[in-house]
Amino acid sequence: QVLLQQSGPGLVRPSETLSLTCTVSGVSISRTNYYWVWIRQPPGKGPEWIGTISYSGRDDYNPSLKSRVIISVDSSKNQFSLNLHAVTAADTAVYYCLKRSSLQQPESNWFDPWGQGTLVTVSS
Amino acid sequence: EIVLTQSPATLSLSPGERATLSCRTSQSVSIFLAWYQQKPGQAPRLLIYDASNRATGIPARFSGSGSGTDFTLTISSLEPEDFAVYYCQQRSNWPWITFGQGTRLEIK
Repeated sequence: QVLLQQSGPGLVRPSETLSLTCTVSGVSISRTNYYWVWIRQPPGKGPEWIGTISYSGRDDYNPSLKSRVIISVDSSKNQFSLNLHAVTAADTAVYYCLKRSSLQQPESNWFDPWGQGTLVTVSS
Repeated sequence: EIVLTQSPATLSLSPGERATLSCRTSQSVSIFLAWYQQKPGQAPRLLIYDASNRATGIPARFSGSGSGTDFTLTISSLEPEDFAVYYCQQRSNWPWITFGQGTRLEIK
């Protein structure tokens, strides 16, 4: 069973960097055909894709956030991280780390389960 | 970017009634569409994947249909616990996934 555990601060000051880490257990983060994803959900709104890093290290980002976001992997710790720079109040949201596996049953191509997420508030 | 438009924004029904929720995509996503349910204070939960397949543990009253650009989530007979917000999501042009804006299903 693959488990994801998020960590990081719940409060970030405007113009600073939001940093969250997701620790993966149950599978190597470099395992073929696994994709590691960050999604956020502002209060009262729908989910928004932030970005994805693949088992091969390829990263892709939502064009609306691409200039401010970096997703990286630390294979030694089996973790992937989100860094969102120059945050504003509009970045206040619940942030989720999720996985997709394209080698297993079709259901695993979708996001399930979602963890509890991390509410990050941008405020001075 | 593939835009997903859900309708109606709010649906008011009574327990026992049938609910029909719509999701339209700005371009064809084949069958690569899912539906999620979200209750207040909780994370989304996968209900339907690949347009018409119920996720593990999801009751049979939930069903999905459609392909291409028009999709429907149907709840055959509403239970009290079904009143929530429902989102659709596409993965046709992975990794550039997108979500709909949601349909709120409320008790009439």
